[in-house]
Amino acid sequence: DTGVSQNPRHKITKRGQNVTFRCDPISEHNRLYWYRQTLGQGPEFLTYFQNEAQLEKSRLLSDRFSAERPKGSFSTLEIQRTEQGDSAMYLCASSLYGNEQFFGPGTRLTVL
Amino acid sequence: AQTVTQSQPEMSVQEAETVTLSCTYDTSESNYYLFWYKQPPSRQMILVIRQEAYKQQNATENRFSVNFQKAAKSFSLKISDSQLGDTAMYFCAFPSGQAGTALIFGKGTTLSVSS
Repeated sequence: DTGVSQNPRHKITKRGQNVTFRCDPISEHNRLYWYRQTLGQGPEFLTYFQNEAQLEKSRLLSDRFSAERPKGSFSTLEIQRTEQGDSAMYLCASSLYGNEQFFGPGTRLTVL
Repeated sequence: AQTVTQSQPEMSVQEAETVTLSCTYDTSESNYYLFWYKQPPSRQMILVIRQEAYKQQNATENRFSVNFQKAAKSFSLKISDSQLGDTAMYFCAFPSGQAGTALIFGKGTTLSVSS
């Protein structure tokens, strides 16, 4: 069991640039979740997939955000035209149906 | 709206002492799970303990136990015999809908354990 992995671990970008993050869930897990966490706060839900289907999206997921899970395995989260307010830790989690969610180490995004 | 409230932003305790972290929530669901997650400094979040709302018996995992009061919508975490490794941010969470959907987290309690 290699756990949930996320790449990159850190990303520094300039305002207006596009960024893409990757999440590799635990191999047998069919559900994958994205959360955003700002300093000193709890994670906030962004979206989740069951297999390749995106089943729920938060209102936090603006038009500049898009997530995919093309083959029901890894997932990518893209942010277009980044803004300073996008600076946060982006967490990925996976689960087998409704069981415990296992979290990855996160990708810390800094927008200058 | 479903909400989770953790009213203690920070707590400090010495090794071997017992500490209780509080959490209240609001939901219209009748059957649900409740979770406590631990996030050590610069490390990933891990599940500490979970409680199924239909079970009257409080969950226990080694030094961690919960006091679940369904009618009061209260879900506190008790850590016994605190250890330095318990230093972390602790989050209370529950699913926004049926099991396996998005988790709603509280703002967290930062626990510091000193020797």
